[in-house]
Amino acid sequence: SQQGEEDPQALSIQEGENATMNCSYKTSINNLQWYRQNSGRGLVHLILIRSNEREKHSGRLRVTLDTSKKSSSLLITASRAADTASYFCAGGKGSYIPTFGRGTSLIVHP
Amino acid sequence: GAVVSQHPSWVICKSGTSVKIECRSLDFQATTMFWYRQFPKQSLMLMATSNEGSKATYEQGVEKDKFLINHASLTLSTLTVTSAHPEDSSFYICSARGPGDQPQHFGDGTRLSIL
Repeated sequence: SQQGEEDPQALSIQEGENATMNCSYKTSINNLQWYRQNSGRGLVHLILIRSNEREKHSGRLRVTLDTSKKSSSLLITASRAADTASYFCAGGKGSYIPTFGRGTSLIVHP
Repeated sequence: GAVVSQHPSWVICKSGTSVKIECRSLDFQATTMFWYRQFPKQSLMLMATSNEGSKATYEQGVEKDKFLINHASLTLSTLTVTSAHPEDSSFYICSARGPGDQPQHFGDGTRLSIL
């Protein structure tokens, strides 16, 4: 399996601030995926970054990947109260099964 | 984008009842489907992986006779919790993935409450 471990476990910020969360993984991957989970819902796929990419943007999201350190970061700029959720990462490689850590619980105060 | 529909979203039933949860990929062919269980404020625990047309692979500690998984087509997988008891109460989430290095797409989950 390709388990990601997210850090910090919890993050509380004010609306408008940036939120940064990190992910570490243990084995080689072909891509890394970030997901968001709102309370009581399934996971929503946010962004996928491939192992030959170092940085990727999607709207207010910026993801970096450092394969030498086996780590990734997710930056949410100009956060909004609606960004309040748990965020998970998972590595992917062929038929490997991505599994999830505890996630980062983000609270954005209006 | 890829959509996965999970049904029902909420089930409340008596102890001893069997409950079936459906997971459908609506606009893509899901060669692999996954079933997870999640307790409050915890991570998703992978229960089993199923490939279309073959038997599911269960994670260690998951009773295959308790949690029956069927993946009869490229768009449908079902999880049946047999003779459910209160300790089976949880949030069950399915996901589906196409071939290759594709991301998983998740259903909205099913909250199962056994009285």
